[in-house]
Amino acid sequence: AQTVTQSQPEMSVQEAETVTLSCTYDTSESDYYLFWYKQPPSRQMILVIRQEAYKQQNATENRFSVNFQKAAKSFSLKISDSQLGDAAMYFCAYRSAWSNQGGKLIFGQGTELSVKP
Amino acid sequence: DTAVSQTPKYLVTQMGNDKSIKCEQNLGHDTMYWYKQDSKKFLKIMFSYNNKELIINETVPNRFSPKSPDKAHLNLHINSLELGDSAVYFCASSQGIGTGRNEQFFGPGTRLTVL
Repeated sequence: AQTVTQSQPEMSVQEAETVTLSCTYDTSESDYYLFWYKQPPSRQMILVIRQEAYKQQNATENRFSVNFQKAAKSFSLKISDSQLGDAAMYFCAYRSAWSNQGGKLIFGQGTELSVKP
Repeated sequence: DTAVSQTPKYLVTQMGNDKSIKCEQNLGHDTMYWYKQDSKKFLKIMFSYNNKELIINETVPNRFSPKSPDKAHLNLHINSLELGDSAVYFCASSQGIGTGRNEQFFGPGTRLTVL
């Protein structure tokens, strides 16, 4: 079975600085997808960034980028120029490409990010 | 226009009662899900439905019964509610379940409190 681990329950960053959130996963599959979701206090789940395992190039979305190390099974999220609105719980998630897995997302425990003005 | 909607957003009820949570998506997706987020904010899949057919049931007690009347709706009925059922329940939808980007869109969540 696949697992996702986020070893940082809480992180803090100064506004305008850069922060990196860690995520590791375990799988025997070669084809899968990885995601970072943001959950602000409103509790809405918002997709931040996605990465296809077959792509070597790291995904980027504006101030958000990932460092995907497939061999090490590591998928960290870097937030540049942190803003107050980035404060939220961040979840790393894994999805198998096999349809018999039903498309389910497997989530890590989450990292609570606070941004200091 | 809301992509994935859930009703109600808040539900407070007594132990032993039966309650339902409704979910609707207007994205034309063929796959819908229920996730449970516990008090420690841990999110776990409960069910996955593809074209109204149950694909995944992650060892959920049979007091929980999902129903998908059509591809746009996936409702969750819970019988004999217990204190441990208190959580936030999220509905989500995506197009397809295998290869492909298949981004999941989440509803706003339903906070269930069992007294």
